[in-house]
Amino acid sequence: AQSVTQPDIHITVSEGASLELRCNYSYGATPYLFWYVQSPGQGLQLLLKYFSGDTLVQGIKGFEAEFKRSQSSFNLRKPSVHWSDAAEYFCAVGPGGGGYNKLIFGAGTRLAVHP
Amino acid sequence: DTEVTQTPKHLVMGMTNKKSLKCEQHMGHRAMYWYKQKAKKPPELMFVYSYEKLSINESVPSRFSPECPNSSLLNLHLHALQPEDSALYLCASSQEGGGINEQFFGPGTRLTVL
Repeated sequence: AQSVTQPDIHITVSEGASLELRCNYSYGATPYLFWYVQSPGQGLQLLLKYFSGDTLVQGIKGFEAEFKRSQSSFNLRKPSVHWSDAAEYFCAVGPGGGGYNKLIFGAGTRLAVHP
Repeated sequence: DTEVTQTPKHLVMGMTNKKSLKCEQHMGHRAMYWYKQKAKKPPELMFVYSYEKLSINESVPSRFSPECPNSSLLNLHLHALQPEDSALYLCASSQEGGGINEQFFGPGTRLTVL
């Protein structure tokens, strides 16, 4: 079965601290992997994406993610968190090969940032 | 222009009303999506249009009726909704063809059904 697991429902970090959000997936074929961020009452913004190539991908707002095939993981990291990073983060997988893209979302991780 | 716009931002309607949500994109994308998102939950796919044809209907009740009049516009017609239909409705679009076709999301319409 295809699924995405984000084990941490809620994470609190101090401003300036490092961050890692976990994502594990189960997918039959090689998936496209995405991280989206959603601020309260807003739509989703793409942070980064991965399909092949270098397993460490850089995204916007200073985020990066590392794909580990052996662990079926695609964890999101940021070396120094800013208060404006407080939001909901969704990991998603989708089929490769083009065409429209039926994404499977994880349940999300809510990030709170303490000053 | 890399923006998906949605109108209205907020909508309050009674259970007997008929209303419509509108979504527009000018990125040349040929796939468009409607999602429903309840509080503290991920988005749930409702419909996918590909080249203005309905490709996926995720068993959505008929009180939700999608329409894709042209390649830039996507509507969601609402009729006889229930209070449990209150949610954030998100529209998204993506390219067709090869490559990583990430979805671009609009800001959503916050719907309240009384």
